[in-house]
Amino acid sequence: NAGVTQTPKFRVLKTGQSMTLLCAQDMNHEYMYWYRQDPGMGLRLIHYSVGEGTTAKGEVPDGYNVSRLKKQNFLLGLESAAPSQTSVYFCASTTTSGWYNEQFFGPGTRLTVL
Amino acid sequence: QQPVQSPQAVILREGEDAVINCSSSKALYSVHWYRQKHGEAPVFLMILLKGGEQKGHEKISASFNEKKQQSSLYLTASQLSYSGTYFCALRMYSGGGADGLTFGKGTHLIIQP
Repeated sequence: NAGVTQTPKFRVLKTGQSMTLLCAQDMNHEYMYWYRQDPGMGLRLIHYSVGEGTTAKGEVPDGYNVSRLKKQNFLLGLESAAPSQTSVYFCASTTTSGWYNEQFFGPGTRLTVL
Repeated sequence: QQPVQSPQAVILREGEDAVINCSSSKALYSVHWYRQKHGEAPVFLMILLKGGEQKGHEKISASFNEKKQQSSLYLTASQLSYSGTYFCALRMYSGGGADGLTFGKGTHLIIQP
């Protein structure tokens, strides 16, 4: 039982390049989330999904797109990376509505955009 | 409307107690507490729900004051392993639908031997 895994762990991009971050969970969770963490800012919600095939915007969605084609996977895409997107990205999942169940976090992806 | 945590940082000696506060400008439905060690993912500590229900670890205690829109986390007889950054996270009523949590900026806790 791996829990929540994220790929890759580290990545360096040049401005304007694109990439996709992969989140996978093996706990059969319905709800999945993408957060970004910047120094002194806590975690901020980018996008989330309440089930396969559905996605919704969070607090800071601009510059990101997501897809949830399979229940166990949640993809975060950056179409044209900017230095402001340098951050640590965390994926999380939970069984049902995340507001009364704990969220399980992946180990994070450290992204640097030059 | 990010929740406000206080203090921003605390330095304790092993065995001492600490209280971390979290306040919101809006009505709360639930308060989550997480701890994060440097370079690691946040780890769940506790959830407090409107109405008094709590879910979490036995050795962690917290309070939830719905009227004051505040929550406090109590760390007693602190151990070196308690060091880390503590975050409160709120689920604020948004009119419907499930959504993620709004995290505070964190409280840095350092436990010294």
